Amino acid sequence: DTGVSQNPRHKITKRGQNVTFRCDPISEHNRLYWYRQTLGQGPEFLTYFQNEAQLEKSRLLSDRFSAERPKGSFSTLEIQRTEQGDSAMYLCASSLSRGLSNSPLHFGNGTRLTVT
Amino acid sequence: KQEVTQIPAALSVPEGENLVLNCSFTDSAIYNLQWFRQDPGKGLTSLLLIQSSQREQTSGRLNASLDKSSGRSTLYIAASQPGDSATYLCAVPWYSGGGADGLTFGKGTHLIIQP
Repeated sequence: DTGVSQNPRHKITKRGQNVTFRCDPISEHNRLYWYRQTLGQGPEFLTYFQNEAQLEKSRLLSDRFSAERPKGSFSTLEIQRTEQGDSAMYLCASSLSRGLSNSPLHFGNGTRLTVT
Repeated sequence: KQEVTQIPAALSVPEGENLVLNCSFTDSAIYNLQWFRQDPGKGLTSLLLIQSSQREQTSGRLNASLDKSSGRSTLYIAASQPGDSATYLCAVPWYSGGGADGLTFGKGTHLIIQP
């Protein structure tokens, strides 16, 4: 068990470019979450997968954002036409649960995005 | 809409002191509450998860309590050490009608333990 892995750790991009982040959850975990965190704030929920199904998307997730989890394993988060306001830490978390969420979430170390 | 508030926003104390971090939430219909630690530039590490049926949960020098009726939780850190310096966040779950769930976080308490 190597924990939740996120790549890349840092990404600097110019406004208008597309970026893609990858998250590899703990292997047996069926739930995967994406959060965004800005300086001095707690993480904010973006989207959630139960296995390969995307069950919830926050209103924070504009149509420039898309997430996938093919085969219920790793997940990718793509941001198209990046804006400076997209600069943040993007965190991935996973958990193993059935029914109501009652197991701890395990977070990766995040991908820090800077849009110039 | 669930709101989570953490007080104080920042705390600086000498090594060895016992301290209490506070978390309050507006909707008491929760199944659990989780405390996390975050080091600068890193992800979150789960410290304690308290089920709604529990009043306390302990791990080493950490003790977390939960009072659902008043919408409060506290994290007690005994005999603080410089290595405890980090941001501590509490979070409560939400559930959608579609079967999804997630966590609502507070903004955290930034803790500095002075050697």
